[in-house]
Amino acid sequence: DTEVTQTPKHLVMGMTNKKSLKCEQHMGHRAMYWYKQKAKKPPELMFVYSYEKLSINESVPSRFSPECPNSSLLNLHLHALQPEDSALYLCASSQEAEPSNQPQHFGDGTRLSIL
Amino acid sequence: AQTVTQSQPEMSVQEAETVTLSCTYDTSESDYYLFWYKQPPSRQMILVIRQEAYKQQNATENRFSVNFQKAAKSFSLKISDSQLGDAAMYFCAYRRVDSNYQLIWGAGTKLIIKP
Repeated sequence: DTEVTQTPKHLVMGMTNKKSLKCEQHMGHRAMYWYKQKAKKPPELMFVYSYEKLSINESVPSRFSPECPNSSLLNLHLHALQPEDSALYLCASSQEAEPSNQPQHFGDGTRLSIL
Repeated sequence: AQTVTQSQPEMSVQEAETVTLSCTYDTSESDYYLFWYKQPPSRQMILVIRQEAYKQQNATENRFSVNFQKAAKSFSLKISDSQLGDAAMYFCAYRRVDSNYQLIWGAGTKLIIKP
């Protein structure tokens, strides 16, 4: 069982829809991440939150809007997505916001399909 | 810039036998972290094993062990007594000591277990 929980597991939406992906962890981790992963490719970092503040945005289009309401929750709000945004979206967390040897822990991901 | 190379897009092994997945990397740093992650069809990215570059001893986790050759910048993963549940994509990843976020990923190796 994963300690990072993502909902929903699957999402199909049209290009004009607004939806949100949710991620939750109760490990006391202070850094949380969103990744995008295309089939048979490694994950690509999108956003990093450190102590509930956005610390890294890897030049992600504004149709993706992250939010960190508290230290346990991370959301990704989606609006006006394009077909090329169809992918697996992975959430991860790590114990320390400062550099450490602690690894990132990943959720099961949300499989997103844009019609 | 750091890079990670996995030269085997796909490997297959007979159940109960041993298989080695290769990973090489390029860096000018002297201290860093290396990871092997496993991603089965269930999608969750699972940490298999990690190695700190300043440690000469090779990391082991049950049936999984690494052959870390720092001078050669090589970090191979050996899986002993392969099991059907080991079938997955395996990603090698590098991380600098001064960054908690920037995982540099290899392209991945698909491991097939033959019953």
